[in-house]
Amino acid sequence: AQSVTQLDSQVPVFEEAPVELRCNYSSSVSVYLFWYVQYPNQGLQLLLKYLSGSTLVESINGFEAEFNKSQTSFHLRKPSVHISDTAEYFCAVSGGSNYKLTFGKGTLLTVNP
Amino acid sequence: DAGITQSPRHKVTETGTPVTLRCHQTENHRYMYWYRQDPGHGLRLIHYSYGVKDTDKGEVSDGYSVSRSKTEDFLLTLESATSSQTSVYFCASRQDPSATQYFGPGTRLLVL
Repeated sequence: AQSVTQLDSQVPVFEEAPVELRCNYSSSVSVYLFWYVQYPNQGLQLLLKYLSGSTLVESINGFEAEFNKSQTSFHLRKPSVHISDTAEYFCAVSGGSNYKLTFGKGTLLTVNP
Repeated sequence: DAGITQSPRHKVTETGTPVTLRCHQTENHRYMYWYRQDPGHGLRLIHYSYGVKDTDKGEVSDGYSVSRSKTEDFLLTLESATSSQTSVYFCASRQDPSATQYFGPGTRLLVL
């Protein structure tokens, strides 16, 4: 079985501040890890993913996440957020041949001016 | 983005009526999924499919059924809608377990 815990349901920050959204997972097999973003009234879209190789993965809009196997974590970070980053962020895991993607409950990031 | 569409995008129905939601993908993806999204619960898997005519239950399957007669289409049916099924429903598809899962735009369902 696999599971995902997003440790913060809401994270309010000011514009240009750094942010970290925390994600921990559990799985009995090797995992693939994903972060998805959902803007208001839209579907989910992929932000970044870890499949193998370098444990630090980056997105095109400045987010990065680091896979930490010993701590079973995949925290999402951005050094300086913008108002437009306001959205809900979901961490997800799938493992081995398991074709089901298990999602965390989401973290609402609100960026204030 | 993968071509995934959902229909209808919005629906209001009455308790006790059957409702069918349609998901259509143009990527020839093998796996397809139906989720519901509710405040405080995140995304919960209703049913999924791992091939034509191959489906299985997710974590919240009671009151729902699915069918997949073609690779591109995955139908979700609420057999007798209840107010607890008021939600936003998302369809998704992917090619394999390591691949990105693509989502449709969602269907807002209100059961009165």
